[in-house]
Amino acid sequence: AQSVTQPDIHITVSEGASLELRCNYSYGATPYLFWYVQSPGQGLQLLLKYFSGDTLVQGIKGFEAEFKRSQSSFNLRKPSVHWSDAAEYFCVLKTSYDKVIFGPGTSLSVIP
Amino acid sequence: EAEVAQSPRYKITEKSQAVAFWCDPISGHATLYWYRQILGQGPELLVQFQDESVVDDSQLPKDRFSAERLKGVDSTLKIQPAELGDSAMYLCASSTGGNGQETQYFGPGTRLLVL
Repeated sequence: AQSVTQPDIHITVSEGASLELRCNYSYGATPYLFWYVQSPGQGLQLLLKYFSGDTLVQGIKGFEAEFKRSQSSFNLRKPSVHWSDAAEYFCVLKTSYDKVIFGPGTSLSVIP
Repeated sequence: EAEVAQSPRYKITEKSQAVAFWCDPISGHATLYWYRQILGQGPELLVQFQDESVVDDSQLPKDRFSAERLKGVDSTLKIQPAELGDSAMYLCASSTGGNGQETQYFGPGTRLLVL
């Protein structure tokens, strides 16, 4: 069965520090992968997506993610975190027949 | 920029009452999704439409939930009767549909509180 795991429920980083949010998936075929961010009181916003091709994907707000098929991972990274990045981050798997599976989310706190 | 519209934004109801949520997707988007997001969890797909047809409602509690998209444009999600456990955020999303690569665009959600 398809699934998405985000091992870290909550992460706290200092402003200006680097960030990596982990995502692992289980799917037998080529996955379509997304990262969404949900700020308090806001809707879900797409950060980036991977379908095929270059395994390093650039997104908005300075985020990037790397697809590693051998590790079934799609980790999200940012070199320098800003206080406004504090939010909930969701890794999402979409299958070729359009089934959508959200991970449980990672809550990010940023301390000054 | 086109957005997915949802109303109401907030709804408080008593258990056993009926509630309804409305979603207007981005114009031209054939695929529409309803999700339920319980506090502290990721969204869970309730129902997916392709135009006016339901393509996935396997997680929809059909004894009390119903969804329709009669003309293949806007959609209504209904709960009757509401239960305390239905308190959650209900999110609507839309996409152009097709081969799975399309991005979903989410509305602001309707936060439901059942007392």
